[in-house]
Amino acid sequence: GENVEQHPSTLSVQEGDSAVIKCTYSDSASNYFPWYKQELGKRPQLIIDIRSNVGEKKDQRIAVTLNKTAKHFSLHITETQPEDSAVYFCAAGESYFNKFYFGSGTKLNVKP
Amino acid sequence: NAGVTQTPKFRVLKTGQSMTLLCAQDMNHEYMYWYRQDPGMGLRLIHYSVGEGTTAKGEVPDGYNVSRLKKQNFLLGLESAAPSQTSVYFCASSYGTVWRSNQPQHFGDGTRLSIL
Repeated sequence: GENVEQHPSTLSVQEGDSAVIKCTYSDSASNYFPWYKQELGKRPQLIIDIRSNVGEKKDQRIAVTLNKTAKHFSLHITETQPEDSAVYFCAAGESYFNKFYFGSGTKLNVKP
Repeated sequence: NAGVTQTPKFRVLKTGQSMTLLCAQDMNHEYMYWYRQDPGMGLRLIHYSVGEGTTAKGEVPDGYNVSRLKKQNFLLGLESAAPSQTSVYFCASSYGTVWRSNQPQHFGDGTRLSIL
């Protein structure tokens, strides 16, 4: 099956700085890569996703990049705000079946 | 619309006891999923269903059973609870596959289960 590794496990940034979270995956058949934000005690919420036929996608302060050759993808958050503080999970899988494998999470702390 | 509703929200069991977690969705979604989330780990898929009357194994199915007798409900059963099953359980649903529908998974609020 798919193996997704996520780094770093914790990340502290100053408000206004950028944050980058990186993930690698092992199965070349994976074609869909969602990112989820999970606040303490809450449900995971999809924040952005990317398909394998796209190299980059942006949504306001959030962007995701994908390198299929190297099998890695990254989440970029610019102009971070305290409300961005949460645990972020990457995932990879085949979108035909909706079976996704998750990374272990990155706890982002944005200091005011 | 309530979205995805999980019951109960919290439960403490003794080793060997059985219980059923209920997931209900009111969005007419075909696909439903059960995940578990352990500290320091991401979500791991236990079982999933692609329609009423169907179920399939995910990444970590051992020790669990599921049923999808009605389209809106997906039940997760623990026949003989073990301390290793202490976890937060999340249910999710989706309209179809991401490829076909371009719709994401919708998650419930989770069930925190402790096995003593």
